Amino acid sequence: ETGVTQTPRHLVMGMTNKKSLKCEQHLGHNAMYWYKQSAKKPLELMFVYSLEERVENNSVPSRFSPECPNSSHLFLHLHTLQPEDSALYLCASSGAGLASNEQFFGPGTRLTVL
Amino acid sequence: AQSVTQLDSQVPVFEEAPVELRCNYSSSVSVYLFWYVQYPNQGLQLLLKYLSGSTLVESINGFEAEFNKSQTSFHLRKPSVHISDTAEYFCAVSEGDTGRRALTFGSGTRLQVQP
Repeated sequence: ETGVTQTPRHLVMGMTNKKSLKCEQHLGHNAMYWYKQSAKKPLELMFVYSLEERVENNSVPSRFSPECPNSSHLFLHLHTLQPEDSALYLCASSGAGLASNEQFFGPGTRLTVL
Repeated sequence: AQSVTQLDSQVPVFEEAPVELRCNYSSSVSVYLFWYVQYPNQGLQLLLKYLSGSTLVESINGFEAEFNKSQTSFHLRKPSVHISDTAEYFCAVSEGDTGRRALTFGSGTRLQVQP
């Protein structure tokens, strides 16, 4: 595997389910991000992890719970979601130095909440 | 706080015609600027970036963008588009000197290239 991978690619869940999204980066980066992409809205930054420490949480509801066990893996745990949470969830990573602001994105998980 | 404005939500254009996708930003600090492209059912791919140096930056597939600090713009241009350029294009900005690496995105412009 190369780049940034995300699993699953598609997920359908009920409002009472608990599921997790997984992201893995194979680029040796030290920062990882979760974004939400909804129809007709700009990409919304959800969480930022740098060196496995959460450095940003953009007022995301507690039904979304991130986890970063090491610099290569990032999870988004989901529970009691709402239909308005249906969206494409994108993971990204970035490295150090001048290029640290350049982010590499995974293909996303298309989430549908029924 | 930063913001990015992409004025055109959709831009229809005929194949081999030139195109410009507009991007304006606001920020109280120096910035890095990016254009990303998203093809259907895929994630975002970096198209080109401005970090420092020459204000005109180019991509390998013929796109270019010019950083204009006085007009706070970073418009994307291509002199002759192909059908394969049909995609959604996102302009993004990050803070240049603060160490904060998160990106702020515009709402995107859908480029529709017609034969």
